[in-house]
Amino acid sequence: DAGVTQSPTHLIKTRGQHVTLRCSPISGHKSVSWYQQVLGQGPQFIFQYYEKEERGRGNFPDRFSARQFPNYSSELNVNALLLGDSALYLCASSSELAVLPGNEQFFGPGTRLTVL
Amino acid sequence: AQTVTQSQPEMSVQEAETVTLSCTYDTSESDYYLFWYKQPPSRQMILVIRQEAYKQQNATENRFSVNFQKAAKSFSLKISDSQLGDAAMYFCAYRSLASGTYKYIFGTGTRLKVLA
Repeated sequence: DAGVTQSPTHLIKTRGQHVTLRCSPISGHKSVSWYQQVLGQGPQFIFQYYEKEERGRGNFPDRFSARQFPNYSSELNVNALLLGDSALYLCASSSELAVLPGNEQFFGPGTRLTVL
Repeated sequence: AQTVTQSQPEMSVQEAETVTLSCTYDTSESDYYLFWYKQPPSRQMILVIRQEAYKQQNATENRFSVNFQKAAKSFSLKISDSQLGDAAMYFCAYRSLASGTYKYIFGTGTRLKVLA
């Protein structure tokens, strides 16, 4: 079975532009979470979606938004890009919301966003 | 708010030796999960081991084991018989079990170098 996939792998944008990052969860997984990982830091939680509804939001400005589609794939949108948005954006999926044995969160390889 | 602290930015271990990575956390909750994730240069976050806070027994997965001290809020990872493939960033993470809270909180990571 395929794992969590993300596209694109790398992306270069300039300040003020908009970006859309995409994530496909593991087949059968209904929950998708997004994390931002700045170089040298641990991942920071941005959003979690479950069954197409937002279930959690981290401390990020309104320039960040996301949505989940009926097939459970997800998009992360960032408007008015700033230099500080340069980071690795990780997507993670799990089958349910609860943390149960066998229901761990699986991460994708990430999208490296560089803002110039 | 919960916090996770990893005080060792970098550790080195000789191949076949044992190394312990430290993690402390702060929470007022009694029910939660703790995790260790590995992030190799490929960037993919991989779950190494998990610990349920209500379990007194320390989790073990092959060469990986934890020392969970709930009262001290300490959660260290021991890697036995270190292998070259263990070289990576290791992140400690916390997840609350409180209703409506789904985010994982990560530490800043420890870079593990394995010397041949």
